[in-house]
Amino acid sequence: AQSVTQLDSHVSVSEGTPVLLRCNYSSSYSPSLFWYVQHPNKGLQLLLKYTSAATLVKGINGFEAEFKKSETSFHLTKPSAHMSDAAEYFCVVTIGGSQGNLIFGKGTKLSVKP
Amino acid sequence: DTGVSQNPRHKITKRGQNVTFRCDPISEHNRLYWYRQTLGQGPEFLTYFQNEAQLEKSRLLSDRFSAERPKGSFSTLEIQRTEQGDSAMYLCASSYSGTNMNTEAFFGQGTRLTVV
Repeated sequence: AQSVTQLDSHVSVSEGTPVLLRCNYSSSYSPSLFWYVQHPNKGLQLLLKYTSAATLVKGINGFEAEFKKSETSFHLTKPSAHMSDAAEYFCVVTIGGSQGNLIFGKGTKLSVKP
Repeated sequence: DTGVSQNPRHKITKRGQNVTFRCDPISEHNRLYWYRQTLGQGPEFLTYFQNEAQLEKSRLLSDRFSAERPKGSFSTLEIQRTEQGDSAMYLCASSYSGTNMNTEAFFGQGTRLTVV
């Protein structure tokens, strides 16, 4: 069975400092992994995706994530936080690239202090 | 095309009433998904369609829930005899899945259901 665990329910950083949102996954098959962001009163937006190509994946707004099979991790990072990054972030897993059942983590709320 | 559209955006209903939500996917997308999101949780998968065929249903989708996509375009999600535990945000997403290409899922803004 597939699952994701987001290790922090809330992360708070200062503007201009690095962001690290942690995600571990469990999958019996070769997984596809995604990070989605949800701003208040807006729909979920895809930040980036891993589908068995390069292990370091670059996404929108300066975010990137690295797939580490040995650690079953897919942590999201950004070198310098911006106020507009404050939102809820979800790590998501599915089987291969079929885009079937997307399994979401519980989310990490990112706060950015000025 | 302005993306995935869901109506209504908000719905308040009395316990025991039936409600129906509509989702209009991105026009060229052949897959359509329904998710439910409660406060403080990530979205939970309910069901998905490939064209008009309902290919997978979650155990969360009790017999009070029914989803349709009759012409392979828009979809409806009906909840019969609503209960307070049905209060949640109902999210719709669509994607394209083909032999040579799969797109990511694009989400609508959701329908927030409150059962009083």
